[in-house]
Amino acid sequence: AQSVTQLDSHVSVSEGTPVLLRCNYSSSYSPSLFWYVQHPNKGLQLLLKYTSAATLVKGINGFEAEFKKSETSFHLTKPSAHMSDAAEYFCVVSEGGSYIPTFGRGTSLIVHP
Amino acid sequence: NAGVTQTPKFQVLKTGQSMTLQCAQDMNHEYMSWYRQDPGMGLRLIHYSVGAGITDQGEVPNGYNVSRSTTEDFPLRLLSAAPSQTSVYFCASSPIWGANTEAFFGQGTRLTVV
Repeated sequence: AQSVTQLDSHVSVSEGTPVLLRCNYSSSYSPSLFWYVQHPNKGLQLLLKYTSAATLVKGINGFEAEFKKSETSFHLTKPSAHMSDAAEYFCVVSEGGSYIPTFGRGTSLIVHP
Repeated sequence: NAGVTQTPKFQVLKTGQSMTLQCAQDMNHEYMSWYRQDPGMGLRLIHYSVGAGITDQGEVPNGYNVSRSTTEDFPLRLLSAAPSQTSVYFCASSPIWGANTEAFFGQGTRLTVV
């Protein structure tokens, strides 16, 4: 069975400071992992995905995530936050051979000027 | 390229009314799904389809019906609306049935049941 836990419901940063959104997963098989972003009143957009290739995954808008199997983590980072990064972020896990993904509950990123 | 199109964007229903949320995709994707999003709950899978004529239940199917007569369309029917179905509904599609593919989402339908 697969599950995903986003460790923070809200993260607040100042513009120009680093962003860290934490995600832990559980999977019986080799997982695929995704981060999606949802801006207010919009649909979800894929930021990046891990599918058993390189463990450090680069996405759009300067975001990246590192797959750490030993820690069962897939944290999302960005060196310098921008006001436009304020949004809801979802970590998603999908086990090998099945595309019924499991969504985390979301982390709301707040960026202060 | 339209991607995934949902209609309507907003809807208010009275308890007991029925309605259909429309979802269409123009990417020839086999896999389509419906989610509901509630505050603090993430997205929960209602129903999904792996191809025309094939549907299955997700995590929260009660009160909803689906059908898939064509590859492009995957409507979601609320049989008798209840206040507990007040939510934002998202339709998603992806190319194949498999773990390495990403889902493409529509813009959502915000439904209020009074």
